[in-house]
Amino acid sequence: GENVEQHPSTLSVQEGDSAVIKCTYSDSASNYFPWYKQELGKGPQLIIDIRSNVGEKKDQRIAVTLNKTAKHFSLHITETQPEDSAVYFCAASKSSDSGTYKYIFGTGTRLKVLA
Amino acid sequence: AAGVIQSPRHLIKEKRETATLKCYPIPRHDTVYWYQQGPGQDPQFLISFYVKMQSDKGSIPDRFSAQQFSDYHSELNMSSLELGDSALYFCASSFRRGRNSGNTIYFGEGSWLTVV
Repeated sequence: GENVEQHPSTLSVQEGDSAVIKCTYSDSASNYFPWYKQELGKGPQLIIDIRSNVGEKKDQRIAVTLNKTAKHFSLHITETQPEDSAVYFCAASKSSDSGTYKYIFGTGTRLKVLA
Repeated sequence: AAGVIQSPRHLIKEKRETATLKCYPIPRHDTVYWYQQGPGQDPQFLISFYVKMQSDKGSIPDRFSAQQFSDYHSELNMSSLELGDSALYFCASSFRRGRNSGNTIYFGEGSWLTVV
């Protein structure tokens, strides 16, 4: 079945270092790849997204890359800060037969930024 | 900017009771999704609605039902609650564009359900 693998499950980095989280998807029909940040007890918040016709997107300290051939996409956070500590979820999405959007989430990465 | 509003934020129910969760999507959004997230788990898709019609169905138990109303708000009804239903329930909303444009869904803050 369709799935999204996400690695690593936990990641600890020193403040100021970079963090990279990787996802692999199985459904080649997926065409939209959002990343969500979830803090404890809160809802997932969209932080960046990328569409299948783009290879890379950057927003300040956050960047996402997509390799459609390999079905890989990655989140890069540079100059990490303690407030970046959270659980990060990747997702692969495509249009469903009904016209809405089917999201398959990765299993999450718990990022800890050590001060 | 207005976000997805969910109520109640917390509720405690006993086994075999019923519970209803409400979701008010972002203004102008016409599609609502329900997700269940257990402790340490990723969100699991339950069901979605587009302009009051059920759109997709995921791992929603038969004991649960949902609907979307004419003002686009949605309710998730859960009956015969079991201990395993304890989870964080998220509602998300989106605005349906073209079929292949890729659509962002925005999550609410969730409703914590504890079944005792």
